[in-house]
Amino acid sequence: QKEVEQDPGPLSVPEGAIVSLNCTYSNSAFQYFMWYRQYSRKGPELLMYTYSSGNKEDGRFTAQVDKSSKYISLFIRDSQPSDSATYLCAMSAETGGFKTIFGAGTRLFVKA
Amino acid sequence: GAVVSQHPSRVICKSGTSVKIECRSLDFQATTMFWYRQFPKQSLMLMATSNEGSKATYEQGVEKDKFLINHASLTLSTLTVTSAHPEDSSFYICSASLPGQGSYEQYFGPGTRLTVT
Repeated sequence: QKEVEQDPGPLSVPEGAIVSLNCTYSNSAFQYFMWYRQYSRKGPELLMYTYSSGNKEDGRFTAQVDKSSKYISLFIRDSQPSDSATYLCAMSAETGGFKTIFGAGTRLFVKA
Repeated sequence: GAVVSQHPSRVICKSGTSVKIECRSLDFQATTMFWYRQFPKQSLMLMATSNEGSKATYEQGVEKDKFLINHASLTLSTLTVTSAHPEDSSFYICSASLPGQGSYEQYFGPGTRLTVT
């Protein structure tokens, strides 16, 4: 079992839709949860990070962490074609020396 | 802020030669840099963690004699792929974390696509 599981997609939605991206994990020690966006042939870009459980909102993006279920989500409201990219979840723990474990990434296509 | 650059962005080399990739933090001092490898449609595979002024820590299965990492200053880390072979062809990405924040908030370079013929 991988430490972090993420559905690779692809996920195709119409412009304006609400997108839900998810990851599950097995290591209960994870404390920091991140979402990165990666455009084709580019390096990942940090979108949001959350410490422990709870929600965090930034513009059209909302990150949720449910540590009891070992489940994290990223919601994108009013999705735009420019949101088309691969979204990687990532997480780390102090006990692991803060080594970051990445999910495989979900490819998202937003159709105009 | 927190911009990381990589050079070159793409390189083609012949089998048996060595290739050096540079990673620079442009507007901050990075005490820790990371080197990743990414295969098509796959996630990032951490190769090594590089701390300024000390030897890099390699992940299991990564040959340290083949992938030489040097972190000579707070803004520059280099990865040298020695005696490259076609199976080393991949997308190599570096990242840096802000001082005092561990690896949980990393800023990535744009990546280097290496093709070994």
